[in-house]
Amino acid sequence: NAGVMQNPRHLVRRRGQEARLRCSPMKGHSHVYWYRQLPEEGLKFMVYLQKENIIDESGMPKERFSAEFPKEGPSILRIQQVVRGDSAAYFCASSLRTSSGTDTQYFGPGTRLTVL
Amino acid sequence: DAKTTQPNSMESNEEEPVHLPCNHSTISGTDYIHWYRQLPSQGPEYVIHGLTSNVNNRMASLAIAEDRKSSTLILHRATLRDAAVYYCILRDLISSGSARQLTFGSGTQLTVLP
Repeated sequence: NAGVMQNPRHLVRRRGQEARLRCSPMKGHSHVYWYRQLPEEGLKFMVYLQKENIIDESGMPKERFSAEFPKEGPSILRIQQVVRGDSAAYFCASSLRTSSGTDTQYFGPGTRLTVL
Repeated sequence: DAKTTQPNSMESNEEEPVHLPCNHSTISGTDYIHWYRQLPSQGPEYVIHGLTSNVNNRMASLAIAEDRKSSTLILHRATLRDAAVYYCILRDLISSGSARQLTFGSGTQLTVLP
């Protein structure tokens, strides 16, 4: 049973370009979370999605960032017109249960975005 | 989620037990205690969780104080591969969909000495 897959593992973009990060959850998991870890900082929640629905995007920057989790295919985190401050590690996690108290989130290896 | 307090860093010798403390004095009756760790250049990894009773799994043990205001993650024989940042996180059993995310603090950086 493959774990959470993220690609690409490393992504280099120039300022103003678009970055598209993909996440395939574990088989059977319908809950997906995106977190960001800026250099020398802790992990911060960005967005929580279920299939075809955004449940909580309270951690997403208001502009340039969007996320989706379509009925078929991976979840996508899209960053438009990237700036140097977007350079970070972006982690995706997935979970199976509906009870948050006993829920376990399984994380992918992350995508390390570097903006030149 | 209620706040947790952990030491910034700890050191341990290889093959010795490690006790990582976490204080959560404002824990509520429906809060579960979760531990995750993040190895260098990797995503976080679930370690263990519990509510009231002590818990054991293949990775670690979780000792929970009787008043639940603190807990200790126990690695029985630390290896060099256990060097990581360890996060203690409280998660409410009963929370709305919007509160399902994990709130990571600064955690404890564990260094294992050979």
